[in-house]
Amino acid sequence: DQQVKQNSPSLSVQEGRISILNCDYTNSMFDYFLWYKKYPAEGPTFLISISSIKDKNEDGRFTVFLNKSAKHLSLHIVPSQPGDSAVYFCAAGAVFGNEKLTFGTGTRLTIIP
Amino acid sequence: DAGVIQSPRHEVTEMGQEVTLRCKPISGHDYLFWYRQTMMRGLELLIYFNNNVPIDDSGMPEDRFSAKMPNASFSTLKIQPSEPRDSAVYFCAVSGSKQETQYFGPGTRLLVL
Repeated sequence: DQQVKQNSPSLSVQEGRISILNCDYTNSMFDYFLWYKKYPAEGPTFLISISSIKDKNEDGRFTVFLNKSAKHLSLHIVPSQPGDSAVYFCAAGAVFGNEKLTFGTGTRLTIIP
Repeated sequence: DAGVIQSPRHEVTEMGQEVTLRCKPISGHDYLFWYRQTMMRGLELLIYFNNNVPIDDSGMPEDRFSAKMPNASFSTLKIQPSEPRDSAVYFCAVSGSKQETQYFGPGTRLLVL
């Protein structure tokens, strides 16, 4: 049972446009969320996070939005650059739970020059 | 400070053979996680340790899988006997505390023929 779902396995976006990656979760105990980026032959690296007390967190070109009622979060990248081409994983955890993170299946983003 | 080191980076073996994957974590991080990445299930947590003690191994798929952390600077994940369905990329990750970013190693790509 996938508690964190990324329903789009791939996404292609023109350079300079906005990339929007989506993530849905089912466990209402999750209260902090992270996005990781993964290049081929490398491990995932942390990109941005958000806790459930916020509905938006911004870091440069990257913004994460959280809609708790819909159990949905999204990552916006604007403007998209060729170096953003990677696999993006959404992850969720529970502050009063254990240390585990639950990851989604990932979305492969391709930026077209 | 070097990142998480995993060895080997690639492993090709035949069904039935024993496979040992190794991880050297970043010093000063109390939590160590072993993940498996597949196309179908994304990043799955197999087991994690806190201060070298296994905390949760509920993600270990079968008794064929075992993990140890004899000291703070070394961990192994062993598969015995290996099967073709074990083919995946295995990641080791560390974090300093709950909610803190997890730092991943480069992964070991395992192919069981």
